[in-house]
Amino acid sequence: GAGVSQSPSNKVTEKGKDVELRCDPISGHTALYWYRQSLGQGLEFLIYFQGNSAPDKSGLPSDRFSAERTGGSVSTLTIQRTQQEDSAVYLCASSSDINTEAFFGQGTRLTVV
Amino acid sequence: QQQVKQSPQSLIVQKGGISIINCAYENTAFDYFPWYQQFPGKGPALLIAIRPDVSEKKEGRFTISFNKSAKQFSLHIMDSQPGDSATYFCAAREDNFNKFYFGSGTKLNVKP
Repeated sequence: GAGVSQSPSNKVTEKGKDVELRCDPISGHTALYWYRQSLGQGLEFLIYFQGNSAPDKSGLPSDRFSAERTGGSVSTLTIQRTQQEDSAVYLCASSSDINTEAFFGQGTRLTVV
Repeated sequence: QQQVKQSPQSLIVQKGGISIINCAYENTAFDYFPWYQQFPGKGPALLIAIRPDVSEKKEGRFTISFNKSAKQFSLHIMDSQPGDSATYFCAAREDNFNKFYFGSGTKLNVKP
């Protein structure tokens, strides 16, 4: 597809379980961002990947959160031992070195019960 | 520390009125200032953007006003319509790092 693709679109998990959220950025985009958006709230920065540089992990809220980007393309955000406060929409965005626009995916709505 | 500060958090405007959302920043390395619009259940999408070499950019009913000396920029929606009801995010990009910083968002409700 031409846009940023995220999967799954919805995820319901039990408290304490681990979850993996996937982001397929636009082909060729070197920058990839993960954001969290709680219900009706703004965008909370989580992590930023740029090319082969070390990722900026300054937004990750705890060590239960981690992310990787394989081959400079697909990224996976992992949340271990999920808590109810992790319930939110997780958004992924990508941008290129040339194009100044950041393109967002539709998000993954995570519900921890 | 939030790099881009956005206000207000929420805004209610009557149909036909002007909606104004403000953002401020400190980092003079920012070189590109986009606004994103987000409808419920969707990801944010680019609405309009400006570079610091101009003071205003207009696209239809949407206008960005940019004040470089004050390090502030704002989005004006003229003749606001109920279909404009959405959450709006300002952002700034640091060219050297190709990294975007987003404001906290403004939820706009245009009353019919």
